[in-house]
Amino acid sequence: DGGITQSPKYLFRKEGQNVTLSCEQNLNHDAMYWYRQDPGQGLRLIYYSQIVNDFQKGDIAEGYSVSREKKESFPLTVTSAQKNPTAFYLCASRDGTSYEQYFGPGTRLTVT
Amino acid sequence: SQELEQSPQSLIVQEGKNLTINCTSSKTLYGLYWYKQKYGEGLIFLMMLQKGGEEKSHEKITAKLDEKKQQSSLHITASQPSHAGIYLCGADKWWETSGSRLTFGEGTQLTVNP
Repeated sequence: DGGITQSPKYLFRKEGQNVTLSCEQNLNHDAMYWYRQDPGQGLRLIYYSQIVNDFQKGDIAEGYSVSREKKESFPLTVTSAQKNPTAFYLCASRDGTSYEQYFGPGTRLTVT
Repeated sequence: SQELEQSPQSLIVQEGKNLTINCTSSKTLYGLYWYKQKYGEGLIFLMMLQKGGEEKSHEKITAKLDEKKQQSSLHITASQPSHAGIYLCGADKWWETSGSRLTFGEGTQLTVNP
């Protein structure tokens, strides 16, 4: 089955620690995205990548970093510099033909 | 600034009732996407609209993009508890030069009471 996987579903970290969220897709999509969702709010774009070895900052990139070494993988690191890291994180990839954006199941990160 | 505004923010209806959710943009929409989300889960694609006046249906859900391409509406006929969730609209930010990306509205929380 083709799709996007995010792991783990729930993640707990202590303040001051960096944490990396995994996102893998087997849809052969070039473009991949990371969003953050807070209660009662829509999705805010953190970083996106349109091709391997290239990525751009989204609207709220501060305190986050990404890499895109493989087409299938787009991991997001939440650094200790991110002031409010507790949130629901969603990864997505986009079909270059239909432009439909597919989402993963999300990772809920809690930092205490 | 919020580029996509959804209304209402939340909606509670009785099962069997019809309802409409609106998504308004301050700029011309070149691609408008509707998604549904269950709390704590990923987004499920519903429909994509591109042409002014375009209307698409999926089961009991109909979405329309107005002629001027600055507003879309999502209409649910004879709502069921399975329709409950958060509905989000997203739009292509082609007015930016940084490539293909979507911006999203804040979502509409729909509750359907049996």
